[in-house]
Amino acid sequence: AQTVTQSQPEMSVQEAETVTLSCTYDTSESNYYLFWYKQPPSRQMILVIRQEAYKQQNATENRFSVNFQKAAKSFSLKISDSQRGDTAMYFCAFRSYNTDKLIFGTGTRLQVFP
Amino acid sequence: DSGVTQTPKHLITATGQRVTLRCSPRSGDLSVYWYQQSLDQGLQFLIQYYNGEERAKGNILERFSAQQFPDLHSELNLSSLELGDSALYFCASSALQGGSTEAFFGQGTRLTVV
Repeated sequence: AQTVTQSQPEMSVQEAETVTLSCTYDTSESNYYLFWYKQPPSRQMILVIRQEAYKQQNATENRFSVNFQKAAKSFSLKISDSQRGDTAMYFCAFRSYNTDKLIFGTGTRLQVFP
Repeated sequence: DSGVTQTPKHLITATGQRVTLRCSPRSGDLSVYWYQQSLDQGLQFLIQYYNGEERAKGNILERFSAQQFPDLHSELNLSSLELGDSALYFCASSALQGGSTEAFFGQGTRLTVV
């Protein structure tokens, strides 16, 4: 069975600084997708970024980028130029190529302070 | 706004009761997923429907059931409620099955069992 581990329950960063959230996963499959979701206090789950396992190039979306290390089964999220609006819970998620269900990590609570 | 609508937003009920949570997917989305977010279990996949048919099942209790109607809206029925069922219940929808199709989440229904 696949598992997703986020070992940092809480992180904090100063505005305009860079922060990296860690995620590791376990799977025996070679084709899959990885996601980072953001959950602000509004509770809405918002997709931040996605990575297809067959792509070697790391995904980027504006200030958000990932470091995908397939052999190490690691998928970290880097947030550059942190903003107050980035304060939220961040969930790493795995989806097999053959199913649609998302397997989530336990989340990292990120606080951005002035 | 993700386009996925969940009602009600909040629900308080007593142990032993039965409730129904409703989800309207984004226009045109055929897949509907239900997830449970509790403090001790994190985000857990419950069940998926695709165009009216059950497609995948997670750790859904026998006291819980769901269905997807011809108009593609879905309902999650929770019966014989226990204190431990208190959680945030999310519905998500996606256009297709598989691939890198993004799942869009509703704002959730906060269920409190007292």
